[in-house]
Amino acid sequence: GAVVSQHPSWVICKSGTSVKIECRSLDFQATTMFWYRQFPKQSLMLMATSNEGSKATYEQGVEKDKFLINHASLTLSTLTVTSAHPEDSSFYICSARAPEERSYEQYFGPGTRLTVT
Amino acid sequence: AQKVTQAQTEISVVEKEDVTLDCVYETRDTTYYLFWYKQPPSGELVFLIRRNSFDEQNEISGRYSWNFQKSTSSFNFTITASQVVDSAVYFCALLCWGRDDKIIFGKGTRLHILP
Repeated sequence: GAVVSQHPSWVICKSGTSVKIECRSLDFQATTMFWYRQFPKQSLMLMATSNEGSKATYEQGVEKDKFLINHASLTLSTLTVTSAHPEDSSFYICSARAPEERSYEQYFGPGTRLTVT
Repeated sequence: AQKVTQAQTEISVVEKEDVTLDCVYETRDTTYYLFWYKQPPSGELVFLIRRNSFDEQNEISGRYSWNFQKSTSSFNFTITASQVVDSAVYFCALLCWGRDDKIIFGKGTRLHILP
């Protein structure tokens, strides 16, 4: 099956710093990737849809200036949490949508656990 | 509006018992997909099944089975002869075709299989 990787798998940073999380589709090109956030014991909430070569589309209530998304290539999307605060501590999961020949299946990455101290 | 409801927040059963996880969805779209995912303590989502709205056939995969009923907008998941390794959070999810391919997740059911 298709593989989507995320890097890093976990990160601890100090309040006020920025953190970049990478999402890569390893064996297919993904024009669309999605970023989710999951707080402890809660469900996955879609943050934004990332389209290659264009601006990301953010869900209502998600601060676009705080969560910067860059989808610079067909295999890589990055999420940068700027000026992170403890309330940004969460599990961030990306998914990548495969092309038509793979029935547009979405494949999820393993997640990145962010802890802001 | 699209919505997925998993009414069971947490379930505990003794190993070898059967258990059914409920999922009710809402959508006005005629073309959609339903999913079940397993999330073990490691956090990584494990894909279990995808069903499209035109295929109401029930499916069985080993100890897992799924019952899709459009008449009641339900897509229930049964684990037969449960095992401790089945302990995880299970998410039911909905994707409506043509709506930017957004997957909407239910709140999840935390399943504890007791030895």
